[in-house]
Amino acid sequence: DAKTTQPPSMDCAEGRAANLPCNHSTISGNEYVYWYRQIHSQGPQYIIHGLKNNETNEMASLIITEDRKSSTLILPHATLRDTAVYYCIVDTDKLIFGTGTRLQVFP
Amino acid sequence: NAGVMQNPRHLVRRRGQEARLRCSPMKGHSHVYWYRQLPEEGLKFMVYLQKENIIDESGMPKERFSAEFPKEGPSILRIQQVVRGDSAAYFCASSPGLADYEQYFGPGTRLTVT
Repeated sequence: DAKTTQPPSMDCAEGRAANLPCNHSTISGNEYVYWYRQIHSQGPQYIIHGLKNNETNEMASLIITEDRKSSTLILPHATLRDTAVYYCIVDTDKLIFGTGTRLQVFP
Repeated sequence: NAGVMQNPRHLVRRRGQEARLRCSPMKGHSHVYWYRQLPEEGLKFMVYLQKENIIDESGMPKERFSAEFPKEGPSILRIQQVVRGDSAAYFCASSPGLADYEQYFGPGTRLTVT
């Protein structure tokens, strides 16, 4: 079973920041937090991952709380092409996908 | 650098036939993973392989399914005597290592069993 809890759906206006929360209260000390997304029925796309520190790349930022029990994925300027199912995953090797958050970006 | 390649992209099989799905990992990646996505469901882990070794097959059905990743050539997911319930999208992913490495996914093979 997935070790994460995410809201089933969220909406975001185009151009605004999308903040996607994730709870992982049972995370172990050596487990990373990964974020992937799946656009329609394509193969999942890696977004970002982190262990303890906040991370930023060209796609998104990842904010991990100090106790590591939750995290937030931030898409700073959402576009229509960011409409997808976003998965927060905690693991060390294989990825256990939960149900994810369906993000709908509207004009 | 080419991404993860999977073929065929679409595969139709009659009940009882065999299905062979191929996955070529990204160059330099020695870890391969297979996932299955049933219609309207999330992805489920099936098996994790390194060259010539099965590391974790905890998600593989006990019968009819097998996977290999030979020293040379692509990884193969083999489904014998397919049934309608095997109809799904099968995704392969690869990574250069564990833990601190992201997995890169292929476009998937959509298997339809008639």
